[in-house]
This record gives sequence, structure tokens and C-alpha cells, in this order.
Amino acid sequence: EIVMTQSPVSLSVSLGERVSLSCRASHLVISNLAWYQQKPGQPPRLLISGASTRAVGISPRFSGSGSGTEFTLTISNVQSEDVATYYCQQYNNWPPYTFGQGTKLEIK
Amino acid sequence: QVQLVESGGGAVQPGKSLRLSCVASGLSFGSFAMHWVRQAPGKGLEWVAFISYDGNKEFYAESVEGRFTISRDNSKNMLFLQMNSLRVEDTAVYYCGNSPGVYGAIDYWGQGTPVTVSS
Repeated sequence: EIVMTQSPVSLSVSLGERVSLSCRASHLVISNLAWYQQKPGQPPRLLISGASTRAVGISPRFSGSGSGTEFTLTISNVQSEDVATYYCQQYNNWPPYTFGQGTKLEIK
Repeated sequence: QVQLVESGGGAVQPGKSLRLSCVASGLSFGSFAMHWVRQAPGKGLEWVAFISYDGNKEFYAESVEGRFTISRDNSKNMLFLQMNSLRVEDTAVYYCGNSPGVYGAIDYWGQGTPVTVSS
């Protein structure tokens, strides 16, 4: 089973800042990596697939990078509506399709 | 637009069964693989099960293997999860979601249906 480790567990940033969230895979996942956003009380929403391809309707403030085992989700010009927990997920080696434990983003 | 709507959740005692359903609209259901993912209260996301577009491939998380069965009816745009021998640790919100195939992210998610297993 591939273990996905996200860091930090939580972070607090100011409006307008740029923030980077990290996701590390225990084995190679090539670019078969997705990022999801989950706001409180809502289901997850796909942000990024293929490590760097934004899903339909996703703001260009969200960008993904990385390949192999190290991945980053960058949010530019953080807005109040970005308050959420962000999860990475690998879909290269399955079963299981594994998620990271999440990074909770808050506004200072 | 794509809509996935789950139903069938509820409160049950340990050892009992439940059948979850997910009805899809706004997409060519028979062209997409489907997943069930769950989220225990206050916890992260846990993948549960996968079924291929034609129903010929099924995969399960180790924690549910042998107790849960995923199935689909493409003629009715519906996905199912039969959950038997339920345990307290199966308590969670269960989401259905679609993906392009085995190598694919979960594009759209339903709102979820809660399952509570308690004596």
C-alpha cells in the first residue's frame, strides 16, 4: 500500500498570501496524483488531477506541481473562500487508492 | 450539470446490513468507473470500493473486503454498496464519485449519506 503523507497538518495564513501544501508518496506514483478541497460540511471537490491539470471551473489561483513521490499544491492570493481541508490522493497503485491525512487551511 | 445523489444511510446495530444507492445524472453513467469513499466523524477520507464502467472489475479496501459489495445498474444510472456484517468502525459519511477509469481521479462527488453503526 502506498502511504501518502501531507504537510503541514494545518496552517494559518493572511489574506492575499501565497501558500504551498506538500504531499509525499511512499513509492513512485508518477503523475497519478489528485488534489481535493473539502470545505466544512461539504463533500470533497476535485481541484487538480494528473499532478498539475486543473479541473473544470477551478480558479487559476490553484496550481499543482511535482512527479514521482513529491508533490505541491500552491494557492496564490489566498481568499477567505479557500478555508478548507486539502487532500492529496494517488491513483497509480491500487487497490487501495490512498489519500493523505489532509492539510487544514485557516485565515489569520 | 453532473449530479450524484446518495441514499440508504441510517442507524443500524453491529452485525446488521445496509444497502446504499447512488443515482447519477448529467453524465454518460455507463462510460465512467465509480467509487465509494467514506469519512468517519472528524476524520479524513478513506477509499472503500471501485467498480469499472462495465461492472467487470471490482476492488475493495482491506477493511471492507468480504463484507461489502459494490455493484451498478447502467440501465438505471445507479450505483450500489451492499454493506453486511457492519461494525462500529464503519460509521461514516459515504460518498459516491465517478472517475474516467482505474487510472483516474474522482471527478465529481455526491453530497454523501451518513451511516451510524451503534448498539
